[in-house]
Amino acid sequence: DTAVSQTPKYLVTQMGNDKSIKCEQNLGHDTMYWYKQDSKKFLKIMFSYNNKELIINETVPNRFSPKSPDKAHLNLHINSLELGDSAVYFCASSPHTDTQYFGPGTRLTVL
Amino acid sequence: GESVGLHLPTLSVQEGDNSIINCAYSNSASDYFIWYKQESGKGPQFIIDIRSNMDKRQGQRVTVLLNKTVKHLSLQIAATQPGDSAVYFCADSPGGAGNMLTFGGGTRLMVKP
Repeated sequence: DTAVSQTPKYLVTQMGNDKSIKCEQNLGHDTMYWYKQDSKKFLKIMFSYNNKELIINETVPNRFSPKSPDKAHLNLHINSLELGDSAVYFCASSPHTDTQYFGPGTRLTVL
Repeated sequence: GESVGLHLPTLSVQEGDNSIINCAYSNSASDYFIWYKQESGKGPQFIIDIRSNMDKRQGQRVTVLLNKTVKHLSLQIAATQPGDSAVYFCADSPGGAGNMLTFGGGTRLMVKP
């Protein structure tokens, strides 16, 4: 009965590759998010997606693109991976209130 | 919340003592504040939240205090247990559905048995 799930949990890839991380929530929430957590544990919002409205943090490179096939899914696609993209990526979702519920994270390592 | 710098602050407490974790925020327009607990290898877990029209809210063994005058938020944990050991984050947002949270840098809580 996982609420917010992500796959894969670990992702190791070479620089320059394109990869995707999948996120699914079974909470019936309207809004989904992607966060990046760096090696110093700092969490930073990347995207918010609500009813087909995408809110982008302007510091996110356009190599990162969220894709939402339906309300329960928000996938993160990354083109031309760079060393600095190595981090843990968290998906989250929220209902009409502000409380966000996080997934278990995907640790991305770019070699 | 604000980043507290490159190094994660650590609070070390004895089991059974009370813990107080502090956080500063910078956005005067913030309307919603929340505390998360993150254990190693896991995602942040919701603990407690508070809106700007309140200055105190209590949960089970946890209390959040909000001082809007000095833009300060604190999390109090009563009778701290080893299972409370984790990194704690505060976050704030202007409020409303879909608003993006701004996280503080986190505080590591270590509970000594």
